[in-house]
Amino acid sequence: RKEVEQDPGPFNVPEGATVAFNCTYSNSASQSFFWYRQDCRKEPKLLMSVYSSGNEDGRFTAQLNRASQYISLLIRDSKLSDSATYLCVVKANAGKSTFGDGTTLTVKP
Amino acid sequence: SAVISQKPSRDICQRGTSLTIQCQVDSQVTMMFWYRQQPGQSLTLIATANQGSEATYESGFVIDKFPISRPNLTFSTLTVSNMSPEDSSIYLCSVVAGGGHEQFFGPGTRLTVL
Repeated sequence: RKEVEQDPGPFNVPEGATVAFNCTYSNSASQSFFWYRQDCRKEPKLLMSVYSSGNEDGRFTAQLNRASQYISLLIRDSKLSDSATYLCVVKANAGKSTFGDGTTLTVKP
Repeated sequence: SAVISQKPSRDICQRGTSLTIQCQVDSQVTMMFWYRQQPGQSLTLIATANQGSEATYESGFVIDKFPISRPNLTFSTLTVSNMSPEDSSIYLCSVVAGGGHEQFFGPGTRLTVL
């Protein structure tokens, strides 16, 4: 079993749709959680950190469930520019991160 | 945040040769990493570059194949030695910066081995 598992995707949604990605992790000692976005042929970029209380940044909402060991990312009112691969990242301590395989989102007109 | 540059941005190399990739950060950072990302796949950590000591390699990666230097807190190099077509990949430098342990990536070096 992988340390970090994401929805396999791909997700193809129309503009304006709401889409949710889930990610599960196996290491109960994990401390930090992030969502990254990676555009085609580009490096990953931090989208948002995920806090225990949940956090929102505009159309994006991230939630953490420590008991069930999963995190989620909700995107409301999808835009064409949201098309990308979304990577779930989990860190057990201040050192190295473990990346999920990513979920590809395509938003269509 | 941190601004990271990598050189070269891309290269096409012959098998059996070696390529050294440079990573420069605009601020001093403690944690610096080298990743590989093959087409359509997620990131694989090669090693952690430690300043003043030998790099820490992940399972499946060895120093003879991927020697790493970290002479100071803003710079590191990764060498891909005795290359084969299987080494064709994007190599990414990454650092941890900021109080929230966020990780930032360089633009990557796209390597093609013929």
